Amino acid sequence: EDQVTQSPEALRLQEGESSSLNCSYTVSGLRGLFWYRQDPGKGPEFLFTLYSAGEEKEKERLKATLTKKESFLHITAPKPEDSATYLCAVQAGTSYGKLTFGQGTILTVHP
Amino acid sequence: KAGVTQTPRYLIKTRGQQVTLSCSPISGHRSVSWYQQTPGQGLQFLFEYFSETQRNKGNFPGRFSGRQFSNSRSEMNVSTLELGDSALYLCASDGQSGETQYFGPGTRLLVL
Repeated sequence: EDQVTQSPEALRLQEGESSSLNCSYTVSGLRGLFWYRQDPGKGPEFLFTLYSAGEEKEKERLKATLTKKESFLHITAPKPEDSATYLCAVQAGTSYGKLTFGQGTILTVHP
Repeated sequence: KAGVTQTPRYLIKTRGQQVTLSCSPISGHRSVSWYQQTPGQGLQFLFEYFSETQRNKGNFPGRFSGRQFSNSRSEMNVSTLELGDSALYLCASDGQSGETQYFGPGTRLLVL
């Protein structure tokens, strides 16, 4: 069974204090690993898709990396508007349309 | 390009009733997936439709069902509602399996 574990559950940072979120996964034939951001009461907002180990993608203050067992979301010099729940999900090669999600990391950035 | 839309956005029902939720995917997307999100269980996969066919199903009871129309719009139905069905129901669309899924704003269902 596909499994995704995110850590930490919650993270409090000061504005400008860089850090990383972790996503560990086990999946039968990784088709893709996805990072989303979710604000309270809203649907998840797409951030990155990673397909193979060694791949990296960047967007503004965020950088996602992928190994064979885990993915990291690095946040550089965060701002209060980066506060949200960050979700990691995997899709197995044989599983149509099914994303398996982790429980998420709640990030709070204080000014 | 317009995003994924879901209607209604909020719904209040009582136990035993049934409910139908609607999802319109991004134009050109043929795959629609449905998820249930609760504080305790997180995001859980319900089912996926592609070209009007259910290709995958999660571990939910038969009270949860869905369908997809020829224009790719999808509906999900929950019959005989239980208190535990209170959740945010999300749909997502993508062009084909393995591509990025884009989510709608969700339908917040409260069962009293």
